[in-house]
Amino acid sequence: SQKIEQNSEALNIQEGKTATLTCNYTNYSPAYLQWYRQDPGRGPVFLLLIRENEKEKRKERLKVTFDTTLKQSLFHITASQPADSATYLCALEGSSNTGKLIFGQGTTLQVKP
Amino acid sequence: NAGVTQTPKFRVLKTGQSMTLLCAQDMNHEYMYWYRQDPGMGLRLIHYSVGEGTTAKGEVPDGYNVSRLKKQNFLLGLESAAPSQTSVYFCASSYSTGHNEQFFGPGTRLTVL
Repeated sequence: SQKIEQNSEALNIQEGKTATLTCNYTNYSPAYLQWYRQDPGRGPVFLLLIRENEKEKRKERLKVTFDTTLKQSLFHITASQPADSATYLCALEGSSNTGKLIFGQGTTLQVKP
Repeated sequence: NAGVTQTPKFRVLKTGQSMTLLCAQDMNHEYMYWYRQDPGMGLRLIHYSVGEGTTAKGEVPDGYNVSRLKKQNFLLGLESAAPSQTSVYFCASSYSTGHNEQFFGPGTRLTVL
């Protein structure tokens, strides 16, 4: 069955450092991969989308890579700030036009001042 | 714009009771989704709709029914609630084609005793 794995352990880093979160998947060939941010008690908020034929996508301090050979996406936050502390979810989407997403369980990032 | 709204925010049910969760969006989105989020399991798709009058099953549809009578509303029903349905429920919507970001509501926290 399709499986998505994100680091279940929280990631703790110092302010100003680069945070790197990992999303690995098996038994799936996604056409698109999305990253969301979720704060406690709130719904997820979209951050970035990357297509299978794109290697890298950037948005301000965020960078996402997508390696379909390794079946892995890396999500980077450069110059991290305490306000970046949240849970980050990766989600995979196939090539059908339904918009159906399969979510990972998320990784919690804690940025310490 | 209110975006995606959900009612109620919290609800406690007894086993066997029924209820309906309401999701509304004011962005004229064609696609709408219902997810449940449980600790350590990420978001799982219950049902979804690609347009007014259409619905389809997601990953975990058993015990739930949905209706999309109006484009802006997507209702999730529990006919006979069970403790296993204790969860946080999120509604989301997206534009008419797939491969777009999903906009999430604030969630409904449901406890079934």
